[in-house]
Amino acid sequence: EVQVVESGGGLVQPGGSLRLSCAASGFTFSSYWMSWVRQTPGKGLEYVAHIKQDGSEKYYVGSVEGRFTISRDNAKNSLYLQMNGLRADDTAVYYCARVRDDGTGFDYWGQGTLVTVSS
Amino acid sequence: DIVMTQSPLSLPVTPGEPASISCRSSQSLLRTNGNNYLDWYLQKPGQSPQLLIYLGSNRASGVPDRFSGSGSGTDFTLEISRVEAEDVGVYYCMQSLQSPVTFGQGTRLEIK
Repeated sequence: EVQVVESGGGLVQPGGSLRLSCAASGFTFSSYWMSWVRQTPGKGLEYVAHIKQDGSEKYYVGSVEGRFTISRDNAKNSLYLQMNGLRADDTAVYYCARVRDDGTGFDYWGQGTLVTVSS
Repeated sequence: DIVMTQSPLSLPVTPGEPASISCRSSQSLLRTNGNNYLDWYLQKPGQSPQLLIYLGSNRASGVPDRFSGSGSGTDFTLEISRVEAEDVGVYYCMQSLQSPVTFGQGTRLEIK
């Protein structure tokens, strides 16, 4: 059974940092692009970043470029999101999602981890 | 960025009746390969989104055949032939033609 499980969320002050992790199982992790998507009550679902199978290509939404870094460790079947310079509008539930093998859309999502940026 | 606009935003439906959700994109999602890069997702209460339809009209694995997707270019529709109680939640369309992928605002389906 395909599973992706996020962890690492929590409360952080503005300007602070947090590292999210996503543990994958039930599929050949190294064969798939992976992504982070976030959800806020105000803005709905928003793509954050995605990374190629071998980590050689990474893409970000403009609002997080230069502050967030997506990475992966295929030996550990894990995906990461390093978030620096956090702002109040980064407050959201962050989902780890597997990109479909044809490169379109997300076929498996984790349960999400809540990040709250507040003083 | 491509803007995705859904309607209606709220959809009360009687069980057993059909339902239809519209999604419009600010640019054509049709590629020269003939595929429309449009997905539909359902987020049930308290759950993460789940893929229903990919490339405009293809049901994802395990999705009941009462769900169907249609449309091309900039106008798309998700139809539920006979709504069941388990179909409640928020439905989202999403384009994956151009980075960044973008989502519609969501349509909340509720049972009358």
